[in-house]
Amino acid sequence: EVQVVESGGGLVQPGGSLRLSCAASGFTFHVYAMHWVRQVPGKGLEWVAGISWNSGSRGYGDSVKGRFTISRDNAKNSLYLQMNSLRAEDTAFYYCAKDPSSDYYSVFDYWGQGTLVTVSS
Amino acid sequence: QSVLTQPPSASGTPGQRVTISCSGSSSNIGSNTVNWYQQLPGTAPKLLIHTSNQRPSGVPDRVSGSRSGTSASLAISGLQSEDEADYYCAAWDDSLKGPVFGGGTKLTVL
Repeated sequence: EVQVVESGGGLVQPGGSLRLSCAASGFTFHVYAMHWVRQVPGKGLEWVAGISWNSGSRGYGDSVKGRFTISRDNAKNSLYLQMNSLRAEDTAFYYCAKDPSSDYYSVFDYWGQGTLVTVSS
Repeated sequence: QSVLTQPPSASGTPGQRVTISCSGSSSNIGSNTVNWYQQLPGTAPKLLIHTSNQRPSGVPDRVSGSRSGTSASLAISGLQSEDEADYYCAAWDDSLKGPVFGGGTKLTVL
């Protein structure tokens, strides 16, 4: 059974940093691209970042470019999101999502349950 | 403001057919396939339709998708109470070089 489980969310002050992790199981992790997608509670979905199977391609949404970094460790079946210079508007549930392709595109075929990041003083 | 435009709400009675539209531009829907996601209350989104009209295994055939020009639509026939959810369209955007979403449509089964 395919599973992706996020962790690392919590309360952080504006300007602070946080690192999210996503543990994958039930599929050959190193073959597939992965994504982070976020959702402000009660609002819509926003793509945050994507990474290809071998980390050769990475992309970011305009609102996080230059502040967030997506990475992966295929040996550990894990995906990460390093978030720096956090702002109140980054408060959201962050979902880890698998792509059925080796390069990131717009299909997210499996999602985790999300981890909540709250940016507040 | 979402790149793709969806109606904020839709509704129907049990057994009815409802459609949800998704409007974009030449840089997204006009040149790339569309995917649809269902989000039941309090849960993570789930892939409902990919490549504009393909259903993942487990999605019933009363759910269908289509794409024409710079628009796409999701149709659900034989509406059931368990279809009550938020629905999002998404597509790759060649200009933004990333996936973009619609603002979501809340489907209510009356």
